[in-house]
Amino acid sequence: SQQGEEDPQALSIQEGENATMNCSYKTSINNLQWYRQNSGRGLVHLILIRSNEREKHSGRLRVTLDTSKKSSSLLITASRAADTASYFCATDGLANFGNEKLTFGTGTRLTIIP
Amino acid sequence: EPEVTQTPSHQVTQMGQEVILRCVPISNHLYFYWYRQILGQKVEFLVSFYNNEISEKSEIFDDQFSVERPDGSNFTLKIRSTKLEDSAMYFCATVSPGVDGNTIYFGEGSWLTVV
Repeated sequence: SQQGEEDPQALSIQEGENATMNCSYKTSINNLQWYRQNSGRGLVHLILIRSNEREKHSGRLRVTLDTSKKSSSLLITASRAADTASYFCATDGLANFGNEKLTFGTGTRLTIIP
Repeated sequence: EPEVTQTPSHQVTQMGQEVILRCVPISNHLYFYWYRQILGQKVEFLVSFYNNEISEKSEIFDDQFSVERPDGSNFTLKIRSTKLEDSAMYFCATVSPGVDGNTIYFGEGSWLTVV
């Protein structure tokens, strides 16, 4: 798989259900970030998890990181219609600070059905 | 929430014309980046910039592209002679060491259409 590849590519769920998206990557990382993008809009930063962290929470978001499997998951609980967007993971390879060439995944298109 | 501001939001240009995309980074940030996203594709790194010079650039960032910080506040991306395949959304991003856990903030993007 490519660096920063998400699955599923598309996910449709009923409002109120939980949504889980996964990301896999190939090389060692400093940290992994999740972003949201509404159609045709900018990238909104959701959460950053460092390579020495295993889990992180922010509101309805829960991110896990398994560096041994080179994978991460993003869980959105109690989904809302406004959560409809594309979600991307982005990895920051081991490098001197300032050269964070983020490598983005292909994204998961999440649709919340009211 | 800190904000990276980009202008224009949308520009249509003739092939071969020069385009300048502008970004106002978050005020205390020191590292700046340009990324692009061709419609329906991944977000791709173009270039990183620190202390008034390029830190790293991708193979996409050829001689047609240049970046500068002309006045200490704006950060610009210039495409000298646009091609059809330059049509994309261009994102500016900024970060500062130890700020917000090294979170990289992106602007809303500049949508460039080359015709």
